[in-house]
Amino acid sequence: GESVGLHLPTLSVQEGDNSIINCAYSNSASDYFIWYKQESGKGPQFIIDIRSNMDKRQGQRVTVLLNKTVKHLSLQIAATQPGDSAVYFCAENGGSARQLTFGSGTQLTVLP
Amino acid sequence: KAGVTQTPRYLIKTRGQQVTLSCSPISGHRSVSWYQQTPGQGLQFLFEYFSETQRNKGNFPGRFSGRQFSNSRSEMNVSTLELGDSALYLCASSLAPVEDGYTFGSGTRLTVV
Repeated sequence: GESVGLHLPTLSVQEGDNSIINCAYSNSASDYFIWYKQESGKGPQFIIDIRSNMDKRQGQRVTVLLNKTVKHLSLQIAATQPGDSAVYFCAENGGSARQLTFGSGTQLTVLP
Repeated sequence: KAGVTQTPRYLIKTRGQQVTLSCSPISGHRSVSWYQQTPGQGLQFLFEYFSETQRNKGNFPGRFSGRQFSNSRSEMNVSTLELGDSALYLCASSLAPVEDGYTFGSGTRLTVV
């Protein structure tokens, strides 16, 4: 079946550097994508979303890029801070308004 | 405003028992979805309720069921528990189904022994 996958299970970055987390999706019907952050013992926290009619969307210190041609999604975090250490999930809706399919997650570790 | 509240936070049950988990969505949110999170399978969709009706269901056995009340609060039930049902069960709410993202609760950690 179709699924959302991540290129790297773990990512370590120096504090202050920029982070890039990648995600590949295979369902061409997906038209809505979300990035979530999950800290230990907590539920996923919404970071930023993007719809398929956009290529880029910016938030506070975060940018999501969508490349529909190669079915690739990325999350860029500027000036990574220790509080950014968490597992990051991408999710896509598969063209459905009623559920999300999540990737397996990337563990981001920020080094001092 | 209050977030999504899930109770209980932790639960230990014996194989063969049944369990009911509760979710109170953000005030005004009418869509409630449930997900199971395990280390091996990640986050998997269980079902979604909107206006007291199940609108979508994931690929889980019939032992997993749920309901939604008129105040949008939702419960999920798992009968005849198996060891493999041990997981973090997450509830998410939104104004409309998957619109502007979900807000998740902190989950209920279920351990089946």
